[in-house]
Amino acid sequence: QSVLMQPPSVSAAPGQKVTISCSGSNSNIGNNYVSWYQQLPGTAPKLLIYDSNRRPSGIPDRFSGSKSGTSATLDITGLQTGDEADYYCGTWDSSLSAGVFGGGTKLTVL
Amino acid sequence: QITLKESGPTLMKPTQTLTLSCPFSGFSLTTGGVGVGWIRQPPGKALEWLALIYWSGDERYTPSLRSRLTVSKDTSKNQVFLTMTNMDPVDTATYYCAHSFGGYRSVNFDYWGLGTLVTVSS
Repeated sequence: QSVLMQPPSVSAAPGQKVTISCSGSNSNIGNNYVSWYQQLPGTAPKLLIYDSNRRPSGIPDRFSGSKSGTSATLDITGLQTGDEADYYCGTWDSSLSAGVFGGGTKLTVL
Repeated sequence: QITLKESGPTLMKPTQTLTLSCPFSGFSLTTGGVGVGWIRQPPGKALEWLALIYWSGDERYTPSLRSRLTVSKDTSKNQVFLTMTNMDPVDTATYYCAHSFGGYRSVNFDYWGLGTLVTVSS
């Protein structure tokens, strides 16, 4: 069982918006920044969001992140079939003194 | 351009010790805020953060595997190493090394190796 809880799957139609949640606690999300990763089948993860709401260079603004209390969300707007992937949240856990990832969410673009 | 590439055995027997190397280029592990982390992913399962070594030499480990893991670096050769003792079939996974930025308490991995699948079987 992951320290960070994500829904196993989400789905939406092309062009629509989807929100992926990541729930934690005060020892992790509540007091640390959150990052989000996209993992296409058979490839290494790709950083989409860091410091909870910042995008690395080259990441489209269709991807946005936010954090409130002990939860974080990743929003993807204007869904494309190429967005079908697994998405992971990650953060530092101050109690564990280690990084942690969520269990991952599989996005299906219908 | 930052690149990393994992290297090591692909097949291991239970109880053996795994040593993976991660030669990298495009950055220095002496630059403040920089680190190299190890993450693994069992087939069909989620990512698991394993360990990270910082520019300062500080090391962090996931508690559940702390007794079995050692991360080290050779700054002059731009390499990072991960050792995991007493391998078990449940340790079968793709192991990734990744460039970390943002210093302590960050989980910002912006460049990843391709990953190497390590299978543990008798």
